[in-house]
Amino acid sequence: GNSVTQMEGPVTLSEEAFLTINCTYTATGYPSLFWYVQYPGEGLQLLLKATKADDKGSNKGFEATYRKETTSFHLEKGSVQVSDSAVYFCALSPYSGAGSYQLTFGKGTKLSVIP
Amino acid sequence: AAGVIQSPRHLIKEKRETATLKCYPIPRHDTVYWYQQGPGQDPQFLISFYEKMQSDKGSIPDRFSAQQFSDYHSELNMSSLELGDSALYFCASSSDRLREPLHFGNGTRLTVT
Repeated sequence: GNSVTQMEGPVTLSEEAFLTINCTYTATGYPSLFWYVQYPGEGLQLLLKATKADDKGSNKGFEATYRKETTSFHLEKGSVQVSDSAVYFCALSPYSGAGSYQLTFGKGTKLSVIP
Repeated sequence: AAGVIQSPRHLIKEKRETATLKCYPIPRHDTVYWYQQGPGQDPQFLISFYEKMQSDKGSIPDRFSAQQFSDYHSELNMSSLELGDSALYFCASSSDRLREPLHFGNGTRLTVT
């Protein structure tokens, strides 16, 4: 079946530090890959996505590249801010065109950025 | 901007009782997804609706049912509640079923005692 494995948190970084949150997946076919972010007290929001191998998703300074050879979709940001403190979820969808998006999530990684 | 609204935020029920969770999608979104997240677990897809019809079904127990109404809001009905149903239930909406859910609600935390 499909699965997503994320690095366990919590992750604590100082402001302006470099961020990497590892994500690897197992899936049949060619899934789409996503990163969702959940800020304190809010629902999940789509942060970025990639739909095919070697695609790079980017948003708000975050980036992730769809690596089929390593089945990975690691999230990176060059300089984190306190406002980036949140829980980050990696997810995949094996959408085949026949139905709606069924997301398979990782367990989430909590990021805390300190001034 | 309007977001996905879920109610109630918290719900406490006893075993064997019933519960109804509500989800109001972003205006003009016609697709709704329901997910269940147990303690320390990753979110699990339950069911989705598109244009008031069930679109896909995931790991939703037979004790649960859901529907989408003419105004596109959705309700998740849960009967014969079990302790294991204690979880965070959240819904998401998208502008059509061919697009990934962009926004999720804040969730309803159900506690079964």
